[in-house]
This record gives sequence, structure tokens and C-alpha cells, in this order.
Amino acid sequence: GENVEQHPSTLSVQEGDSAVIKCTYSDSASNYFPWYKQELGKGPQLIIDIRSNVGEKKDQRIAVTLNKTAKHFSLHITETQPEDSAVYFCAASIRSGGSYIPTFGRGTSLIVHP
Amino acid sequence: NAGVTQTPKFRVLKTGQSMTLLCAQDMNHEYMYWYRQDPGMGLRLIHYSVGEGTTAKGEVPDGYNVSRLKKQNFLLGLESAAPSQTSVYFCASNSPARGMQETQYFGPGTRLLVL
Repeated sequence: GENVEQHPSTLSVQEGDSAVIKCTYSDSASNYFPWYKQELGKGPQLIIDIRSNVGEKKDQRIAVTLNKTAKHFSLHITETQPEDSAVYFCAASIRSGGSYIPTFGRGTSLIVHP
Repeated sequence: NAGVTQTPKFRVLKTGQSMTLLCAQDMNHEYMYWYRQDPGMGLRLIHYSVGEGTTAKGEVPDGYNVSRLKKQNFLLGLESAAPSQTSVYFCASNSPARGMQETQYFGPGTRLLVL
């Protein structure tokens, strides 16, 4: 089955700095890669996703890059703000021909210091 | 739309007691999932369902049972609770087989403490 590794487990930055979270996956058939943000006491919520036919996607201060050859994808947050503090999860799933069930990384706790 | 709701929000059980967690979604999603979240372990899939009347085991199914009698509801049961089942439980839903609708929508979670 799919295995998703996520690093780092904790990331501490100063407000205004950039933050990068990296994930690797094992199954080359995976073709959908979402990122979820989980604020304290809440359920995870999708913030951005990317499909295997795209190398990069941006949405304001967040971007995701995908390297299919190396089987890794990354979340980039620029100009971090205290409200970006949360736990971030990456995931990988196979959209067609498979079970569609996503495999999650273990999460990264991002702390943005004012 | 309420999205995904979970009942109860918090519960304390004694070892050996039973309980049922209820998940409801109003988005007509085909797939529903139950996860547990423990510190440092991320989200671990307990059971899932790809449609009404179907269920399947996930990564950590032992000690849990599920039922999907109605499309909008997914029940998670603990027949004999153990302290190791102390966790936060999340329900999620999506329709990945229906076009590009892979995004999972999560409920707010149920905190369970087993003494």
C-alpha cells in the first residue's frame, strides 16, 4: 500500500518568514495530493491540492509543488502570520482504478511567533 | 448546509462500557470515513464505507464496528471500551468516484476518554 512520510514534525518560524513542509510517497500510481490545515480543537480542512498532471499550484500565500519523478511534494507558505499556526497534513491518493482511499502523513505542527 | 456533524462532542467511558458515535453528512457523499487522532500519530483510518450498506476495514479496525444503513449516516461502535481507545475521533466524507470530488470534509471531532 501507499506510504506517506512528512517532515518536519514541528516547524517554528518568525512572523513574515517562509515555511516549507515536505512529503514523500511510495506508490507511483498516486495522482491526487491534498494538504489539510487543522486548527486547535477543529477538524482538518483542505487548503490546497494538486493533481499529478500539474507541477505547481499557487493560492495567494500558499503554494504546492509536485515532483513525480522523485515522488515528493511540498507545501510553501510565504509571509507567515500567527493565524497560520496549526497542524498541517499532507495526503496521497489514487483517483482512478484504485480504492481512492487517501493515505495521510503524520502531520507538521507549524508555530508562527509574532 | 451543516456539512459533517458528529455526536457527541465529548464523552467519558469506563473500561468495558459500550457506546456509539454518530456521523451525519448532508452533502450526498458516497464515501464516509472514521479516523482516530493520537499525538504524533496523525490520522489513522479505522473503517470506511464506499456506499450505503457497505463497510471496509482501515488501518486500525480492532475493537470497533461500523454500520452505514443510511447514505447520510455512518456509525462507529465500541462494544467494550479500553483505555487504549482514548482518542479524538474524526468522521469525514467525500465522493472521489464522482468527477473531481476527492476533497474530504471533516467533522469537528469527538473526544473520548476511557477510564
